[in-house]
Amino acid sequence: DIQMTQSPSSLSASVGDRVTITCRASQSISNYLNWYQQKPGKAPKLLIYAAVSLQSGVPSRFSGSGSGTDFTLTISSLQREDFATYFCQQSYSNPGFGQGTRLEIK
Amino acid sequence: QITLKESGPTLVKPTQTLTLTCTFSGFSLSSSGVGVGWIRQPPGKALEWLALIYWDDDKRYSPSLKSRLTITKDTSKNQVVLTMTKMDPADTATYYCAHRAARGLFNWFDPWGQGTLVTVSS
Repeated sequence: DIQMTQSPSSLSASVGDRVTITCRASQSISNYLNWYQQKPGKAPKLLIYAAVSLQSGVPSRFSGSGSGTDFTLTISSLQREDFATYFCQQSYSNPGFGQGTRLEIK
Repeated sequence: QITLKESGPTLVKPTQTLTLTCTFSGFSLSSSGVGVGWIRQPPGKALEWLALIYWDDDKRYSPSLKSRLTITKDTSKNQVVLTMTKMDPADTATYYCAHRAARGLFNWFDPWGQGTLVTVSS
């Protein structure tokens, strides 16, 4: 199995901050990497697919980058509604998720 | 618009078999490339992929749970059913079904159902 490791596990930030979350795969997965946002009590929502493609309807302040084993999700200017937990997921082989990054208000 | 909804028991006893149904609309599970997956999330923990069924009835399972899982589809009813045997308190989680979308070789889960919390307790 391919292991997905996110960092940090939690992060405190303020509205307007630029935030970067990292996801590392245990082997190369090319660009087969997706990002999801999950708010408490809700199902995950797709933000980014194929490492860099923004899902329709997702604000442009979200962006993804990376390939191979190292990937990042960047939020350029945090808004209040962005405080949530973020998961990466590889689709190179059987699906696998990172452990999540909880983004909290400072 | 694609929607999915999970249904099944909210409480099961240890050693029992869990049967969950995902009822969906807005797509056909007989269309090439389409799939439906099951993912679970223990309270306060990470997402764990369980199983996936494709339009051509190909089935994939999490290696760590393969011996306990069965996924089937009923295309005429727009339903996917997941069974998990030998339930244990450690299987307490919210269980989600999700539409597997694809573009070329890339694929992702979107959208997801609302999830159903299953508690395993005697």
